[in-house]
Amino acid sequence: DAGVTQSPTHLIKTRGQQVTLRCSPKSGHDTVSWYQQALGQGPQFIFQYYEEEERQRGNFPDRFSGHQFPNYSSELNVNALLLGDSALYLCASSPLTGNSYEQYFGPGTRLTVT
Amino acid sequence: QKEVEQNSGPLSVPEGAIASLNCTYSDRGSQSFFWYRQYSGKSPELIMSIYSNGDKEDGRFTAQLNKASQYVSLLIRDSQPSDSATYLCAVMVYEKLTFGTGTRLTIIP
Repeated sequence: DAGVTQSPTHLIKTRGQQVTLRCSPKSGHDTVSWYQQALGQGPQFIFQYYEEEERQRGNFPDRFSGHQFPNYSSELNVNALLLGDSALYLCASSPLTGNSYEQYFGPGTRLTVT
Repeated sequence: QKEVEQNSGPLSVPEGAIASLNCTYSDRGSQSFFWYRQYSGKSPELIMSIYSNGDKEDGRFTAQLNKASQYVSLLIRDSQPSDSATYLCAVMVYEKLTFGTGTRLTIIP
């Protein structure tokens, strides 16, 4: 049973550039959430996708956008990168149907902005 | 007031003892509560979920929930060096998961 996968593992970008991160959910899961985790902090909710639509959004600027594909995989795009965007970006998947709200995380993408 | 608060630690516990991790939350509408374990440089791993008042046991782990006091805790019995990690408390409100900053736990052999 494949878990949540993310790519790439690490990424180094320059201020002002744009980046795309990718996520494939756990088998049987149709909902994908994205989080940003700065060093020494808990993950911060960016947004959640279900049925190719953004269902919920946290307190992140419009520079952060996403997409979900028919196969439930998802992308996170960040435009006009700032130094403060350096963080671990986590994708989590969950089954929307049923009574389980458990979210399972992928290994993350470490983004460094220089 | 932060939505989810945890003592950042570090918390040091001798091997074989009980480790007790605590978390308080501010939103009374919270319905689902989770504990994640995060090793250094890795992503969070779900170890417990609890939805009703009382205790829930899974192996060496026990989660306790008191909605009246807005308090959730995690007990780790017979602590092992492999339990050394950061433990994140997460609370779901309106299907949005909010995390605390985590408690760093060190098990001393």
